[in-house]
Amino acid sequence: EDQVTQSPEALRLQEGESSSLNCSYTVSGLRGLFWYRQDPGKGPEFLFTLYSAGEEKEKERLKATLTKKESFLHITAPKPEDSATYLCAVQSFSGGYNKLIFGAGTRLAVHP
Amino acid sequence: NAGVTQTPKFQVLKTGQSMTLQCAQDMNHNSMYWYRQDPGMGLRLIYYSASEGTTDKGEVPNGYNVSRLNKREFSLRLESAAPSQTSVYFCASTHRGHTTYEQYFGPGTRLTVT
Repeated sequence: EDQVTQSPEALRLQEGESSSLNCSYTVSGLRGLFWYRQDPGKGPEFLFTLYSAGEEKEKERLKATLTKKESFLHITAPKPEDSATYLCAVQSFSGGYNKLIFGAGTRLAVHP
Repeated sequence: NAGVTQTPKFQVLKTGQSMTLQCAQDMNHNSMYWYRQDPGMGLRLIYYSASEGTTDKGEVPNGYNVSRLNKREFSLRLESAAPSQTSVYFCASTHRGHTTYEQYFGPGTRLTVT
């Protein structure tokens, strides 16, 4: 069964304290792995897509990496505005359509 | 360019009432989706439309119906609302390139069924 697990569920950081969020997955035929940011009361905002093991993508203080079993979202020197829930999803082709399977998310709080 | 828009933003229904959630996108995307998001769970797919004129069930379709009105609009209908349908509903549309796949979400509709 296709599954996505994110850890930790919640993370509290001090401003400037770098850390990583984990997304582990089991899926038959990975077509892509996605990272989203979600602010309270808003829809998920697309951040990155990774397609193959070894691929890395960066955006400001965020860097996403992918292996065959998991992805990491590294946050370097975070600021309070990075506080949000970060969602991971994997794309697979199953049941006749492309579908995204989402993890439950990691709630990140960055304190000044 | 508004992206994906949803109406209403909030709604309270009584058990048994019906309503339609509206979604529109202005990015000329072929595929559109409806998800629900519940605390502690990932987004779950309710229905999707791969292209204008087609709709198919996702993971949790029971109690819902959809209409792909045209390329821009995709609506979700609750015929007889139940408390278990209290959730936040998100519409999304997908850009599919030769080597890329990007899904964009609307702001959500927060539905409470009492």
